[in-house]
Amino acid sequence: AQTVTQSQPEMSVQEAETVTLSCTYDTSESDYYLFWYKQPPSRQMILVIRQEAYKQQNATENRFSVNFQKAAKSFSLKISDSQLGDAAMYFCAYFQGAQKLVFGQGTRLTINP
Amino acid sequence: GAVVSQHPSWVICKSGTSVKIECRSLDFQATTMFWYRQFPKQSLMLMATSNEGSKATYEQGVEKDKFLINHASLTLSTLTVTSAHPEDSSFYICSAPEAWGPQHFGDGTRLSIL
Repeated sequence: AQTVTQSQPEMSVQEAETVTLSCTYDTSESDYYLFWYKQPPSRQMILVIRQEAYKQQNATENRFSVNFQKAAKSFSLKISDSQLGDAAMYFCAYFQGAQKLVFGQGTRLTINP
Repeated sequence: GAVVSQHPSWVICKSGTSVKIECRSLDFQATTMFWYRQFPKQSLMLMATSNEGSKATYEQGVEKDKFLINHASLTLSTLTVTSAHPEDSSFYICSAPEAWGPQHFGDGTRLSIL
């Protein structure tokens, strides 16, 4: 079964600095999707960024980018120029075919002003 | 973009009553929807997969008779918590995948059983 591991329960960063959240996963599949979701205190699940496994190029969405290392099964999220609104729980997730999303344990990100 | 609507957002009820939560896909058809439960400061725990026109698939440890799921149309899935008790208090959230792509999540339902 696929598993997703986020080894950092909590992270903090100064406003305007850069922070990287780690995620590793385990799968025997070659074609799949990876996502980062943000869950602010409102508890909405907000899609931050997605990566298709067949694409070698790392996905980027404005201040958010990923470092996708398929062979190492690593999928880290880099947040540049951190803003107070970035404070939230961040979940890494794996999706393959028509199956369910598999979530990591989450990382709570605090932004220090 | 695609939107999933979940209702109600917050419900408080007495122990022993049943509570129904609705999850609607507003601009796309969802043959499959997922129901999650989330405890404070924890990740989302998948409870069941709702399949349009057929029985739901429950994860191990989830009581089928306690959490009734109905997926009667391509845009609506419901979760009914039957004979709810204080230990059923939690945050419930649904999602629907749009073909090959990200899951779209509802805004969640905070259930409080007194």
